Amino acid sequence: GESVGLHLPTLSVQEGDNSIINCAYSNSASDYFIWYKQESGKGPQFIIDIRSNMDKRQGQRVTVLLNKTVKHLSLQIAATQPGDSAVYFCAEHTGRRALTFGSGTRLQVQP
Amino acid sequence: SAVISQKPSRDICQRGTSLTIQCQVDSQVTMMFWYRQQPGQSLTLIATANQGSEATYESGFVIDKFPISRPNLTFSTLTVSNMSPEDSSIYLCSVSRDSTDTQYFGPGTRLTVL
Repeated sequence: GESVGLHLPTLSVQEGDNSIINCAYSNSASDYFIWYKQESGKGPQFIIDIRSNMDKRQGQRVTVLLNKTVKHLSLQIAATQPGDSAVYFCAEHTGRRALTFGSGTRLQVQP
Repeated sequence: SAVISQKPSRDICQRGTSLTIQCQVDSQVTMMFWYRQQPGQSLTLIATANQGSEATYESGFVIDKFPISRPNLTFSTLTVSNMSPEDSSIYLCSVSRDSTDTQYFGPGTRLTVL
């Protein structure tokens, strides 16, 4: 399939290590944030979300942290697996009921 | 989450022709959106497809180039008109049940214009 993220920053980690993917967002009025995972040849897949009245939310093996002071969002993946290899996008919701996407980070998991 | 399908999954088209992409959802949704993802890039919103009214286009996108239909709460089409090689992209449909709900994406349509 067509490759996504040919020119994106790349994070390379060893299998079993924890991964941290960072995102700076632009709009201080954004009230909702989402992390998506996009594998080659597929559409973005929802991972986890967080509302602006929270600073941390945990899912299965994933944690999202929100720092509104510096407009920073991070996605932490515990015990990274080869199946986690993909491009990860953060997205912010600005109240117009549409999403603004970040530029994306490619995660490569080395076995 | 909703199950979203897009047709075609990919196509190779000649310059100057038009292609209509379909998006079908397995349940009724309030919001439907169309995005473009150029090679190696992030997603850019083209327009919000409004049921029963004209689509709302983002800056840089116009109805003559990207006409959109939304005849009901489960279906939408995006047409890429008078195509040029610069229109080669992945076109993605997304849906959300209401304004506070997460957006879920279809698998995308990979368009190559020669």
